[in-house]
Amino acid sequence: DAKTTQPPSMDCAEGRAANLPCNHSTISGNEYVYWYRQIHSQGPQYIIHGLKNNETNEMASLIITEDRKSSTLILPHATLRDTAVYYCIVRVPWDRRNSGGSNYKLTFGKGTLLTVNP
Amino acid sequence: DAGVIQSPRHEVTEMGQEVTLRCKPISGHDYLFWYRQTMMRGLELLIYFNNNVPIDDSGMPEDRFSAKMPNASFSTLKIQPSEPRDSAVYFCASKLQGALAHEQYFGPGTRLTVT
Repeated sequence: DAKTTQPPSMDCAEGRAANLPCNHSTISGNEYVYWYRQIHSQGPQYIIHGLKNNETNEMASLIITEDRKSSTLILPHATLRDTAVYYCIVRVPWDRRNSGGSNYKLTFGKGTLLTVNP
Repeated sequence: DAGVIQSPRHEVTEMGQEVTLRCKPISGHDYLFWYRQTMMRGLELLIYFNNNVPIDDSGMPEDRFSAKMPNASFSTLKIQPSEPRDSAVYFCASKLQGALAHEQYFGPGTRLTVT
């Protein structure tokens, strides 16, 4: 899996957009970008993923640069409940048909601690 | 839906004691995963079950660790005997048969401290 680099911490004002960057300059052509977050004292939560096109869901938007060497997770209107550690993962997509254990392995780096301030 | 339920939320035990962690997956989910999270090693997959059958336990660190899933609504992770290096947060997760692998739903975790 490609290595990712994220800033250790960021602050954001409540109601404003939070833009979390991730560098993955060694990403391979078949690797996707996944974002998870972990709120204090809770388990990880899947947010969004993408290959090369920008993606949006009810939680966030994912912007991937054209060369795919970096991406940005955008929380359009951050709330206090969005305070968490955000993890960017780059890997070959999990395949529901593959029963191998490594297929389900989640390897998180240090992530970015996003603090949303009132 | 109550989500994945884990108990206890916190466990403090002495080295050498047996520890049993419990998990109730989301009703209807066919897959159950046990993970361990530490500052040093991050989140590690220990074992996962499909339809109550262990599929891959290659992540289980030693024979001191064992996991069972006697029915679709309950699983245990047992450590016997426990050691200080087992101190970590243990997460249970579950997912539907047809869902993609990344669509796992995690429980709140059990924080284990072995002194």
